[in-house]
Amino acid sequence: QKEVEQDPGPLSVPEGAIVSLNCTYSNSAFQYFMWYRQYSRKGPELLMYTYSSGNKEDGRFTAQVDKSSKYISLFIRDSQPSDSATYLCASLILTGGGNKLTFGTGTQLKVEL
Amino acid sequence: DTGVSQNPRHKITKRGQNVTFRCDPISEHNRLYWYRQTLGQGPEFLTYFQNEAQLEKSRLLSDRFSAERPKGSFSTLEIQRTEQGDSAMYLCASSPLRGYEQYFGPGTRLTVT
Repeated sequence: QKEVEQDPGPLSVPEGAIVSLNCTYSNSAFQYFMWYRQYSRKGPELLMYTYSSGNKEDGRFTAQVDKSSKYISLFIRDSQPSDSATYLCASLILTGGGNKLTFGTGTQLKVEL
Repeated sequence: DTGVSQNPRHKITKRGQNVTFRCDPISEHNRLYWYRQTLGQGPEFLTYFQNEAQLEKSRLLSDRFSAERPKGSFSTLEIQRTEQGDSAMYLCASSPLRGYEQYFGPGTRLTVT
């Protein structure tokens, strides 16, 4: 079992829809949770990160973490065709050395006109 | 701040050849990471540097792989005796010493024929 599980999709929605992207994780030691957006053949771009449980909002994006159920969500309001990309969730454990990220497989999103 | 840069962007090599990739992190970022991403998967951690010290290596990093960060600035990742299974996107990320967010470069896509 992977430490971070994510439905690979693809997920297709009409323009203007609210998109919900989700991940589950198994390691209780994870402390920070990140969402990255990755366009085809590009590097991942950091969208948001949150610490512990709760919500964080940035423009059209809201990240939500529920540590009790080990569930991570990203909501995109008023979705646009330019949001079409793969969305990667990632979790991080603070260690005495580095802070390596553990990624899900990514969910491919397509926003259609 | 020009972001993380990686060179080359794409490398095609024949099995058995050696290849070297370069990563230039965001200036003043002490931490540098290498990840590998195969098609349909999220990035997987390979190794981590804090300044010039390599502090963590994944078991994915076989003895054919070596990474350096000689002066604590740019880093190189070398793969010796490449195999077809090494074909992947090699991603570099950097983060400040006091911060958890990691910023990725565009990646180097390696194709081993």
